[in-house]
Amino acid sequence: EADIYQTPRYLVIGTGKKITLECSQTMGHDKMYWYQQDPGMELHLIHYSYGVNSTEKGDLSSESTVSRIRTEHFPLTLESARPSHTSQYLCASSEQAGEAFFGQGTRLTVV
Amino acid sequence: SQQGEEDPQALSIQEGENATMNCSYKTSINNLQWYRQNSGRGLVHLILIRSNEREKHSGRLRVTLDTSKKSSSLLITASRAADTASYFCATDGNAGNMLTFGGGTRLMVKP
Repeated sequence: EADIYQTPRYLVIGTGKKITLECSQTMGHDKMYWYQQDPGMELHLIHYSYGVNSTEKGDLSSESTVSRIRTEHFPLTLESARPSHTSQYLCASSEQAGEAFFGQGTRLTVV
Repeated sequence: SQQGEEDPQALSIQEGENATMNCSYKTSINNLQWYRQNSGRGLVHLILIRSNEREKHSGRLRVTLDTSKKSSSLLITASRAADTASYFCATDGNAGNMLTFGGGTRLMVKP
């Protein structure tokens, strides 16, 4: 069983609201990732981190931001949500060159 | 841009048949990984093959890697209805790149 957790599992919010999607892992992994995935579509890397105080933007431009103050915690924040942000957000972690462990995802709907 | 691309995008077979999915990628890699995703869930790691390996087996799964052609294939033998899912390849680049995914193959196994 993967020890990586995402909350909330589902979220419906209004346009303009600020939200934070939580992701925590207890495996001590240095690498963490956020992916955005529309239903049935490919995964797009939006943010990643090599370790504490390291954050990088991924291939897909995103209006979200991330922080990595602790190894186990990698939250993603949207300052002002819009309907175009409606999607599934997947968090993952891995050791340096090994398999990635994924959380169950947060399905976000912005109305 | 996506590093990996899967082919075919969708595959429908009868239970008991074999399923073959292909993945092509663009740049040098440390390893290539295959993942499975059930609808609306996170991804689950299936198998990892390193750049100096040519073939790997795990149960009913067989993965091949051809670094000269920058391609990999996943074979699922004696498929079952429970194998119905999306399958993604992902590459871990040798320049410290993050794990990047292809578009996936949606497999349906009919009972």
